[in-house]
Amino acid sequence: AQRVTQPEKLLSVFKGAPVELKCNYSYSGSPELFWYVQYSRQRLQLLLRHISRESIKGFTADLNKGETSFHLKKPFAQEEDSAMYYCALSEYSGGGADGLTFGKGTHLIIQP
Amino acid sequence: DTGVSQDPRHKITKRGQNVTFRCDPISEHNRLYWYRQTLGQGPEFLTYFQNEAQLEKSRLLSDRFSAERPKGSFSTLEIQRTEQGDSAMYLCASSLRSEQFFGPGTRLTVL
Repeated sequence: AQRVTQPEKLLSVFKGAPVELKCNYSYSGSPELFWYVQYSRQRLQLLLRHISRESIKGFTADLNKGETSFHLKKPFAQEEDSAMYYCALSEYSGGGADGLTFGKGTHLIIQP
Repeated sequence: DTGVSQDPRHKITKRGQNVTFRCDPISEHNRLYWYRQTLGQGPEFLTYFQNEAQLEKSRLLSDRFSAERPKGSFSTLEIQRTEQGDSAMYLCASSLRSEQFFGPGTRLTVL
């Protein structure tokens, strides 16, 4: 069965400091990995996915198949990055997604 | 608003009652998903549709739960004989390709 682990329930860093939110997964097939973000009082939204290999709001994430990890990184945290972050996995099909398997989430707090 | 919408946003019911939630996806999206989220957890997948066909159901979806998408547009999720353990946020999402767009959720409280 597929599983996504986010070991940190809460991460607090100061503004301007680097941020790394950890995500490890277990899946035997060909996974597609995502990071979703939920800002206060807003709906869940896609932040980035490994296939696009793009940087969104300064965040990047690299899929490491050897370590089965997909950590989210940002070199300089900003106060507006404070939110809940969820790592998620689905089977890569290219044409459409099956249901996502989510981690429990990491609450990121950026202190001024 | 062209995003995913859900109705109602909040529902309080007594144990044993039936409840029904509605989800309206983004109009051109052919896939529609239901998730459940409890406090301190990430969303858990329940079921999804491609057009009107229900393609996958999680083991979380007990026989008290049923979902439909009769014309391949909006979907309903019904919970029969609600239990206190059904209290959660029920999320709907839709997609055309791999990115899923989420609705605001329906928060269910079972007393």
